[in-house]
Amino acid sequence: GEDVEQSLFLSVREGDSSVINCTYTDSSSTYLYWYKQEPGAGLQLLTYIFSNMDMKQDQRLTVLLNKKDKHLSLRIADTQTGDSAIYFCAESRASGGSYIPTFGRGTSLIVHP
Amino acid sequence: GAGVSQSPSNKVTEKGKDVELRCDPISGHTALYWYRQSLGQGLEFLIYFQGNSAPDKSGLPSDRFSAERTGGSVSTLTIQRTQQEDSAVYLCASSPRQVFNYGYTFGSGTRLTVV
Repeated sequence: GEDVEQSLFLSVREGDSSVINCTYTDSSSTYLYWYKQEPGAGLQLLTYIFSNMDMKQDQRLTVLLNKKDKHLSLRIADTQTGDSAIYFCAESRASGGSYIPTFGRGTSLIVHP
Repeated sequence: GAGVSQSPSNKVTEKGKDVELRCDPISGHTALYWYRQSLGQGLEFLIYFQGNSAPDKSGLPSDRFSAERTGGSVSTLTIQRTQQEDSAVYLCASSPRQVFNYGYTFGSGTRLTVV
């Protein structure tokens, strides 16, 4: 199976909370990331979490990490139409003293009025 | 420059031709990555450069693909004898040596179409 798995689509109403889920396989992952990709653009780092943390909050974003189940989630509070994008989960693996990220397929978040 | 710059932004080429894609990383970033994003797929790792160390080429899909990084800065990804399945967006990213909370900064990509 894939190293990082995400559901492909999520549709929410403006103002509701969005929860995007991700599972990964590499138990040695040290850092996990959430990236956002808007149409025609590169990937933009949203937030990250270190593997010894179980939660991180940054304004409207909350990241939850269940290391036992290798499950990562991103919650966006008060979702806005500008949040519509593809969200990628990534884990990093060590290679030669540095870290190479492995990305999921991305979850397309559609926010409708 | 302030960000990762990739050129060209779009490239249409005929099947069988060679193409070169360029990446200009953020000044001072020692790590450079190439990824491929195909329609409906995630980001497929291709190759990774770190300083003067030998590159990690484990993600290159075939020997038609090669990359080099001159002077520890600009990188060129070359695809020889292009095939239609090579059509994708090729993304470059760079990071400082200690990546951690800086994450990886991506360019806007080169959209390659092989006809």
